[in-house]
Amino acid sequence: AQSVTQLGSHVSVSEGALVLLRCNYSSSVPPYLFWYVQYPNQGLQLLLKYTSAATLVKGINGFEAEFKKSETSFHLTKPSAHMSDAAEYFCASNSGNTPLVFGKGTRLSVIA
Amino acid sequence: EAGVAQSPRYKIIEKRQSVAFWCNPISGHATLYWYQQILGQGPKLLIQFQNNGVVDDSQLPKDRFSAERLKGVDSTLKIQPAKLEDSAVYLCASSLLAGGSTDTQYFGPGTRLTVL
Repeated sequence: AQSVTQLGSHVSVSEGALVLLRCNYSSSVPPYLFWYVQYPNQGLQLLLKYTSAATLVKGINGFEAEFKKSETSFHLTKPSAHMSDAAEYFCASNSGNTPLVFGKGTRLSVIA
Repeated sequence: EAGVAQSPRYKIIEKRQSVAFWCNPISGHATLYWYQQILGQGPKLLIQFQNNGVVDDSQLPKDRFSAERLKGVDSTLKIQPAKLEDSAVYLCASSLLAGGSTDTQYFGPGTRLTVL
């Protein structure tokens, strides 16, 4: 069965600092991987997805993630945090026709 | 393009009462999903429809939860009777294609249910 682990339920960074949100997956078959962002009282919005093409995936709002099979990781990064990046971030995985499985989420706070 | 619409946005009920949620997906989207998001956790799939047929309802507590998608468009999710542990945000999502693994799912704002 697939599973997704997000390390750190809460990450706090200063404005302008590097954002790094960690995600590790477990899958017996090659996975598809996704990062979603959820702002307060809103639904989830897709940031980026990995579908077995390029291992470095660029998304919206300056975010990117790198698929590392050897480390079973798909960490999300952004070079410079902005106040508007404060939100809840979810990593998710599926493969074949399996349902999308989400991690527990990481809340990102950005300090001025 | 209009997004996924859900109503109501908030609902408070007593345990053992019934409740229904409504979802209108993005126009033309074949696949519709209902997720349950308990506080502090990621969303968990309850049921997936492709057009008006059920693709996956393996995690739907069928003794109290039911869902339908009439005419392959709107959908309703019902809980009867509700339990305290049903307190959660219920998210509806839709995707354009036939629910393939790489399809982008578009989420509605959710319905926050509180069971007292």
